[in-house]
Formats: sequence, C-alpha cells, structure tokens
Amino acid sequence: DQQVKQNSPSLSVQEGRISILNCDYTNSMFDYFLWYKKYPAEGPTFLISISSIKDKNEDGRFTVFLNKSAKHLSLHIVPSQPGDSAVYFCAASGLSISNFGNEKLTFGTGTRLTIIP
Amino acid sequence: DTEVTQTPKHLVMGMTNKKSLKCEQHMGHRAMYWYKQKAKKPPELMFVYSYEKLSINESVPSRFSPECPNSSLLNLHLHALQPEDSALYLCASSQDRGTYNEQFFGPGTRLTVL
Repeated sequence: DQQVKQNSPSLSVQEGRISILNCDYTNSMFDYFLWYKKYPAEGPTFLISISSIKDKNEDGRFTVFLNKSAKHLSLHIVPSQPGDSAVYFCAASGLSISNFGNEKLTFGTGTRLTIIP
Repeated sequence: DTEVTQTPKHLVMGMTNKKSLKCEQHMGHRAMYWYKQKAKKPPELMFVYSYEKLSINESVPSRFSPECPNSSLLNLHLHALQPEDSALYLCASSQDRGTYNEQFFGPGTRLTVL
C-alpha cells in the first residue's frame, strides 16, 4: 500500500522556467512533509519541509505548497537551473502514527527532473 | 560539521562473510537511522536509534544487526546475507525524535552480495 505517491516518474523543464513536482498521500495522520533531492550514487539531500499547520513554506528558489483537504503537496522550483537535475523524493511522517515521534519517514517513489539548457 | 559520513563506499561480500558498515555524524544529533534502497525504489527504513537505544526495528531479518557504540557512531553488522540484500544502505541522523526535524543522509554504502 503506497501511502505517498509521486505519479510522474519523470519531468523535463527548460532552464529558467518553473518546475512543479507533485506528491499525493493517503494517510490523514501524516502531519509533516519533506522534499529531498538525490543525485546518482549520493544520499538524499534535504531541501525543504512543511508542517500541517501551514499551507506554504518558502526557501529561496524552493516553495512547498500543502493542500490538506486534497492530501496533496507540490514543490515549485523557480527559476530552474541545470544543477536541479536529480531525482526528487517526497516524504511524510506523523507524530500520532507511532509512539516514537516523527522518525518514520514514508517516501514516495520519486520524480526524475531534467532541466534542459 | 554538517555531514553524515559512511564507510565503505562500496562493499562486495560472499554469503558466508561477516562485514560491517559504519556511519558517523558530529552534528550532535541524538537520533540515527539505517535505510535500505533498491534501484528505482524509495528508501525503506530499517532501524532507528534514539539516544543510543534501539527504538524502531522494522522487522528486519536477524542477519542485519545494528549497533550504536556512542551518540556519534552507528554500525550495521552483516552476516550470512543473501543476494537479494544487495542494495544501497543509507545512514541518516536527526536532532531528536520528539519534534519535527529533518533527517540528514550520508552518501550510502553500495553493497553487492555474491
């Protein structure tokens, strides 16, 4: 049962334009969401996060939007740069899900973003 | 120092071998994690240590044995692995487990079991 879904396995965007990566989740107990970027042969790098009390969080070129009623979040990258080409994972956790806090991250299957120069 | 380091980068072992993966962080984080990632799949949580005590074991087979000697170090001892255990093994750390905080990942150890 895939509780976090990234339905687009790949996305190509022209350099300088906006990249929009989408993520859907099914578990209403999730209350913290993160985006990670992963280059080949490297570990995931944390990009940005959002808790369920917010609907938007911005950090430089990266903005994450959360729509709780639709159980949907998106990552906007603007402007897109060649170095943004990587696999992007959405992840979710919930304080209420386990007795142990937010350690258990459930990852989506990833979206490969390619920025075209 | 904002890095999680892992050694070795690559490891090839036979099914009868015993080997260990090592992970280190010097960010003062009190929670450390082991993940397994197969090709084209998301990372899957294996173990969580919090304040040097094992707090989550995601029903991992006993041929994988974690150890947390101190707050900066995390080991994963491997014994009698199967070829299907070949994967990228990722270590991560976070500030603690009680609040919203991001996990920082190391570069991983690429393990091949022959």
